[in-house]
Amino acid sequence: QKEVEQNSGPLSVPEGAIASLNCTYSDRGSQSFFWYRQYSGKSPELIMSIYSNGDKEDGRFTAQLNKASQYVSLLIRDSQPSDSATYLCAVSRLRAGSYQLTFGKGTKLSVIP
Amino acid sequence: DGGITQSPKYLFRKEGQNVTLSCEQNLNHDAMYWYRQDPGQGLRLIYYSQIVNDFQKGDIAEGYSVSREKKESFPLTVTSAQKNPTAFYLCASSLSKTRHTDTQYFGPGTRLTVL
Repeated sequence: QKEVEQNSGPLSVPEGAIASLNCTYSDRGSQSFFWYRQYSGKSPELIMSIYSNGDKEDGRFTAQLNKASQYVSLLIRDSQPSDSATYLCAVSRLRAGSYQLTFGKGTKLSVIP
Repeated sequence: DGGITQSPKYLFRKEGQNVTLSCEQNLNHDAMYWYRQDPGQGLRLIYYSQIVNDFQKGDIAEGYSVSREKKESFPLTVTSAQKNPTAFYLCASSLSKTRHTDTQYFGPGTRLTVL
């Protein structure tokens, strides 16, 4: 089982719709979860972080965490063409005395005007 | 203006050459990291450092070396022993590695191509 799994996509949604991006992880000891957005040819930029079960909202973005199901998701409301990018899920866990991130391969989102 | 800088943006290497990628941060972060990204792949950890003069191997350290002589700087050398070095290299930093909430921030990256 891969440590962090994401559907590679592409996920296509019409402009104005809700985009739902999903991520599952294998290590139950994982404590923090991050969503990064990566435009083609650019470096990842942080969108959201979430540490506790439930929902966390920031503008058009909502992160959802369910530790019992080992599942984290990112909802993007009122999707815009500028949201078209690859979204990376990252999971933080303690390894060799320090916290390290393990990344999924990313989901490519395409918002159609 | 705080941030992480990487240079060069593009780098071409001939087979058998060592090359060094620069990473500098002025965020006063203790921890720094090097990742490699291949097309369609997630980021893989090469090396990380929690403090000056200390660094640890990540998941794919073979063929790479690092140094951490200053808090602000964490250069990565890609040696001739790295058989498939063509990739996008990303440097990141975080306040520390001792809290699970510490967020990693990324530099703009260096794209290395072997000729």
